[in-house]
Amino acid sequence: QLQLQESGPGLVKPSETLSLTCTVSGGSISSNGYYWGWVRQPPGKGLEWIGTIYYSGTTYYNPSLKSRVTLSVDTSKNQFSLKLGSVTAADTAVYFCARHSSGSLFDPWGQGTLVTVSS
Amino acid sequence: QTVVTQEPSFSVSPGGTVTLTCGLSSGSVSTSYYPSWYQQTPGQTPRTLIYNTNTRSSGVPDRFSGSILGNKAALTITGAQADDESDYYCVLYMGSGISVFGGGTKVTVL
Repeated sequence: QLQLQESGPGLVKPSETLSLTCTVSGGSISSNGYYWGWVRQPPGKGLEWIGTIYYSGTTYYNPSLKSRVTLSVDTSKNQFSLKLGSVTAADTAVYFCARHSSGSLFDPWGQGTLVTVSS
Repeated sequence: QTVVTQEPSFSVSPGGTVTLTCGLSSGSVSTSYYPSWYQQTPGQTPRTLIYNTNTRSSGVPDRFSGSILGNKAALTITGAQADDESDYYCVLYMGSGISVFGGGTKVTVL
């Protein structure tokens, strides 16, 4: 059974870089046809797609975040990662990682991790 | 940037039917957008209900169904139950690797 787990600091200072890693277990991140995505949800608000990466390193980003986001993948560790630069309080959110396939299918999801941007 | 639109809220009676829609600020939704639907209760991880317009995810009861209605994607809950009270999100694939979530619909069962 495929499982995903986010990890990283829960508190980041304004203007710094948020860094999260998603560890995939129960399957290979290099599986053909599957992509790996990040979605976030500010407290009390809706879901927002951040970006998606293929195991080859091909990336796709939300245009509204593109200038600040970098996704990477480490197939040897079965992990993929998110970096979001120049964060502000508006980036405070629960960050989810998920397998992304078949157009707009995100499944399964990690449990999510709350990242707070505050000094 | 194209906005994906959803009704902010809906109320349905137990046993009743409700249809939620997922549209575009400009243009029509078709199967080419591969619409999918997610259910989320507060503090929980989203649960996949429907993908590729009308394919039910494993374990999802058949009272949930997806379709294209007019120029929008739709999620219909038939025979609503108390535990269907949740937030529902659609997401559309815009092409070129871009996905966009709708703002979500809060469904109340009362």
